[in-house]
Order: sequence, then structure tokens, then C-alpha cells
Amino acid sequence: EADIYQTPRYLVIGTGKKITLECSQTMGHDKMYWYQQDPGMELHLIHYSYGVNSTEKGDLSSESTVSRIRTEHFPLTLESARPSHTSQYLCASSETGYEQYFGPGTRLTVT
Amino acid sequence: ILNVEQSPQSLHVQEGDSTNFTCSFPSSNFYALHWYRWETAKSPEALFVMTLNGDEKKKGRISATLNTKEGYSYLYIKGSQPEDSATYLCAFDVTSYDKVIFGPGTSLSVIP
Repeated sequence: EADIYQTPRYLVIGTGKKITLECSQTMGHDKMYWYQQDPGMELHLIHYSYGVNSTEKGDLSSESTVSRIRTEHFPLTLESARPSHTSQYLCASSETGYEQYFGPGTRLTVT
Repeated sequence: ILNVEQSPQSLHVQEGDSTNFTCSFPSSNFYALHWYRWETAKSPEALFVMTLNGDEKKKGRISATLNTKEGYSYLYIKGSQPEDSATYLCAFDVTSYDKVIFGPGTSLSVIP
């Protein structure tokens, strides 16, 4: 079973607040990913990392930012949350890029 | 813009029925095709990754085939069980392991 964790699982927050979604994995994987999924829609890659101090933007433009200071930790930050940020955010990691292990996701609602 | 399509969008079958879904992807610049199962309130779980035209993979009652020349993959479930109820995602990998493009998924409900 994959060891990848996301907190919080659910978050309801007001517009303008700064939020950080946490993602941690204990498998020592270099590659990590953030996906965003709106209801009924595809998973879209918003950020990825090949290792410490490496971050890249994905195919879907996002106002969020990420950091990778430690191998196991890949947090996602929204400086000023807006209702348009309401979505599900999934974190994943991979050793080779071939098979991705997903966390349980964070359901974010911005009111 | 690369697009991955899946059909049907949703499916309801009786327990014991066999079923299959389709994933369509661009046939150019193919690198790998992934299938994931995503049960409600759980994390997506990798089922198969296929790289070669004609690949067939099997895991228990679930199997998948791949046709890279025409750009499609089929997922088959034999003798569906209620625990097979989930959303099945396919994902197309166009570069060397770095990024995948997901389809919208097929939602399967198996009725006891």
C-alpha cells in the first residue's frame, strides 16, 4: 500500500485567505505531482517536481504555487483563495514516473 | 491540445455481467497508456501500464488491450462484482514518464 498523505481532507475557507495543502510521502520518490479535478471533469496536472528544489508548472494554468525543500514534502499554496479555486486537489508521487501513487485528495471549498 | 476520451461516461451492470470500456488517445507521440481504478472516498490505484502496440495485461478478472496505431485501449471486466464499482481512468503518457493526460473516466456501478 502506498504511503502518501494529504491534509486536510476537507477545507471550507473564506475568500482572500491564504491556504496551504500538505502532501507527504514516505517512499523516497523523487517525482511528485499535483492534480486538480473539478466535478465530473478530468484530472489536470497543475504542478510537478523531479526532486528537491525542482518545480514545474503543469498543463493547466493555476494561481497556486508549490515548493520542494524536502524529498518527502510537496506543499501547495494559494496566497488568496477565491471561489474559482473550489475543486479537488490530488497529490501523487512516483519512483520512475511509470506508476503514480495517489493521496486521498483535498476537497477545497472557497466561500 | 492532446485529448484523451473515454466511453461510456457511466455504466450500470448486473452482478455477473461482463463489460468493457474504451479509451481513445492520440496515436502520434505515444509513450505509455495507464489505467487507474478510483473507488469512492479512496485514492486512484494503478491497474495497468502498457507501452507496446498489441500489449495485453491481466489482473484477476480485469484485462486491458492496447492499439497504439489506431489510438485506443479497451478495459474488460469479466463477471462484474459489486466491489468493481468505481471510476476507471485512463491516462496517456506522451513523454518519458514525466506527465500524463487523464481522460474523464468511466463510472461503473455493479448492481447486486
